[in-house]
Parts: sequence; C-alpha cells; structure tokens
Amino acid sequence: GENVEQHPSTLSVQEGDSAVIKCTYSDSASNYFPWYKQELGKRPQLIIDIRSNVGEKKDQRIAVTLNKTAKHFSLHITETQPEDSAVYFCAASIRSGGGADGLTFGKGTHLIIQP
Amino acid sequence: ETGVTQTPRHLVMGMTNKKSLKCEQHLGHNAMYWYKQSAKKPLELMFVYNFKEQTENNSVPSRFSPECPNSSHLFLHLHTLQPEDSALYLCASSQVPGLAGEGLFNEQFFGPGTRLTVL
Repeated sequence: GENVEQHPSTLSVQEGDSAVIKCTYSDSASNYFPWYKQELGKRPQLIIDIRSNVGEKKDQRIAVTLNKTAKHFSLHITETQPEDSAVYFCAASIRSGGGADGLTFGKGTHLIIQP
Repeated sequence: ETGVTQTPRHLVMGMTNKKSLKCEQHLGHNAMYWYKQSAKKPLELMFVYNFKEQTENNSVPSRFSPECPNSSHLFLHLHTLQPEDSALYLCASSQVPGLAGEGLFNEQFFGPGTRLTVL
C-alpha cells in the first residue's frame, strides 16, 4: 500500500518568514495530494490540494509543488502569520473514476510561528 | 450544525462495554470514511463507504464494526476494546468523482471527532 513520509516533524519560523514542509510518497499510481491544517482541538481542514497532472498550484500565501518523477510534494507558506501555527498533514490517494478513495496521511508537521 | 457532525464528542468506556459512534453529513456527499488519530501517529484510514457499500477495510480489528444505513449516516460500533484503542476517531465525507474522473476533487470534509478513552 501507499506510504507517505513527512518532514520535518516540528518547524519553527519567525513571523513573516517562509515555511516549507516536504512529503514523499511510495505509490506511483497516487494522483491526488491534499494538505490539511489542524489547529489544536479542531478538525483537519483542507487548505490546498494538487492533482498529478499539475506541477504547482498557488492560493494567496500558500503554494504546493509536485515532482512526480521523484515522488515528492511540498507545501510552501510565505509571509507567515501567528494564525498559521497549527499541525499540517500531507496526504496521498489514488483517485479513480466512480470510486471513493481513502487518504494515506503523513505524520504531520507542527508549525510554530515565533512573534 | 452544517457540514459533518459527530456524536458523542467524548466517550469513556470500559473494555467490556459496547458503544457506538455516530456521524452525519449534511453536504449531500455519497462517500464516508472513518479515520483514527492517535498521539504522535498519522491519521489512519479505517473504513471507506461508497454509496453505502463498504469498499475498504484497512485491516481493522473486528472489535470495530462499521455500519452505513444510508449515504448521510455512518456508525462505528465498538465492543471489547483495548486501552490502546483510545484515540480521536474522525469521520469524513466526500463526493465521489465521476466515472471518467471528472468532477470535484476527492476533497474530504472532516467532522470534529469523538475523543475515545478506553479504561
């Protein structure tokens, strides 16, 4: 089955700096890669996702890049703010037509924004 | 409440008890999922239901028994659990993509979870 590795487990950055979280996956058939943000005591919420036919996607201060050849994808957060502090999870799945696909998650990165 | 709801939010049970977790989605989705979130471990997929049919059982012990009576409701029946089963149990729902892969991404919306403690 799929295996997703995520690094680092903890990331501390100064407010205003950029943060990068990296993930690798094992199953070359995976074609959908979402990122979830989970604040303390709250549910995971999707912040951005990317399909395998796209190399990069941006949404304001958040961007995701995908390298299918190397089987890794990364989350980039620019101009970090205190409200970005949370645990971020990457995930991968094989999105097939007509079927529901469970997600395989990384272990999470605790992002700490230092004032 | 809109979106995905779960009850109860907290549950404490003994190893010999039988209890059930409930999930309801108000998004018109047709797929539902159970995930387990333990401390310092990734979210683990447990079960997938697609149009009320179970399509995936991720090697989950039989002491966990899912039930999906319709596309809006999902249950997780618990019996003779172990202390190591203590975790946050998250339900999620999504819209299944079209047969040709068109349509919405498989974005999964999560419920708030049930914090389970097994004594």
